[in-house]
Amino acid sequence: GAVVSQHPSRVICKSGTSVKIECRSLDFQATTMFWYRQFPKKSLMLMATSNEGSKATYEQGVEKDKFLINHASLTLSTLTVTSAHPEDSSFYICSAYRNTGELFFGEGSRLTVL
Amino acid sequence: GDSVTQMEGPVTLSEEAFLTINCTYTATGYPSLFWYVQYPGEGLQLLLKATKADDKGSNKGFEATYRKETTSFHLEKGSVQVSDSAVYFCALLKAAGNKLTFGGGTRVLVKP
Repeated sequence: GAVVSQHPSRVICKSGTSVKIECRSLDFQATTMFWYRQFPKKSLMLMATSNEGSKATYEQGVEKDKFLINHASLTLSTLTVTSAHPEDSSFYICSAYRNTGELFFGEGSRLTVL
Repeated sequence: GDSVTQMEGPVTLSEEAFLTINCTYTATGYPSLFWYVQYPGEGLQLLLKATKADDKGSNKGFEATYRKETTSFHLEKGSVQVSDSAVYFCALLKAAGNKLTFGGGTRVLVKP
């Protein structure tokens, strides 16, 4: 079946640094990918919709300059958390939409900012 | 706005017990409803779905019926196994935008 892979699965960084998380669709082309954030014991919150070759569409309340999203190819979207702070520590999950109407999720990336 | 509410966990069961996870939603129009499952260390996987009222989704022994009159989509399984231990998410999808709205997730732990 289709697979969506995220990398890294875990990352620890110092406050003030930037972290990039990759989301790849391994066996299909995804014109649309989504980035979610999951807080402990809470639901997944949609952060942005990433469209290949165009700017991402951010949900209300999500800082565009803080969470940079790039969808440079049909199989790769990246989320960069810029100048990370402890409050950015979270579980980030991507999903990729296949043109068959199916949505596939990555394994998630746990970010810890010290 | 749209929202999904599901029972908080954790739910702890013995093997072969009956499982119910309640899910209710608030949305305008006619959303599609989903249950996703997240096994330890893995991404979310679609478990089952229903696209219109009275539809029943089923997979791996799990069932859920789209009840528009009660705006519910409760997940049930008659006899759980240890391998069913996971976090279960109820979600809805409006036709436009392909944006899923998730419930808070329910952790289920099945003990031998």
